[in-house]
Amino acid sequence: EAAVTQSPRNKVAVTGGKVTLSCNQTNNHNNMYWYRQDTGHGLRLIHYSYGAGSTEKGDIPDGYKASRPSQENFSLILELATPSQTSVYFCASGDHWGAYEQYFGPGTRLTVL
Amino acid sequence: AQKVTQTQTSISVMEKTTVTMDCVYETQDSSYFLFWYKQTASGEIVFLIRQDSYKKENATVGHYSLNFQKPKSSIGLIITATQIEDSAVYFCAMREDTNAYKVIFGKGTHLHVLP
Repeated sequence: EAAVTQSPRNKVAVTGGKVTLSCNQTNNHNNMYWYRQDTGHGLRLIHYSYGAGSTEKGDIPDGYKASRPSQENFSLILELATPSQTSVYFCASGDHWGAYEQYFGPGTRLTVL
Repeated sequence: AQKVTQTQTSISVMEKTTVTMDCVYETQDSSYFLFWYKQTASGEIVFLIRQDSYKKENATVGHYSLNFQKPKSSIGLIITATQIEDSAVYFCAMREDTNAYKVIFGKGTHLHVLP
């Protein structure tokens, strides 16, 4: 069973609209992450969280907010979506202690028109 | 500053041969962890193998192994006896011990295994 799930898997939004991407993990990991993947850029960190109630800015946080209401759930929020935010978004979870690897969700393809 | 660089954007090899993918990193930390991930054509990203900076032995998992050259800040991924299903994008990544939450990824190397 998939341990990290994302919804929706595909989303088309209009410029200026609000978009919420959701992530759920059953790994009981403390840390969760949101990345975007664009051709030529690899995976870039948007926001991360080290536990329920915490959110931290990653390398490219502008235009994005995050919410971690529980250990299992981590959301990425685009308050005013723009075409430049068209991308594939990946959520991941990882344990805090030790040399942990990350477990990724299947990705969400977002298109902003 | 933390940085991970993969200079090979694409590699093509014949099936059943051995391939090495390069990765160099920059860090000020004395303790860090290096990872390789695989992204399949379906988009799925999976963890493959890890090297801890304090270990001298190269990590090996199945037909994946690492060539860790600490003085050169280099961590190569070696795949032996390649198979068609090894065709994918491979990402190198690093996490520093002093910044436990943050993982930096390289831009990836696209491996094509030809029959």
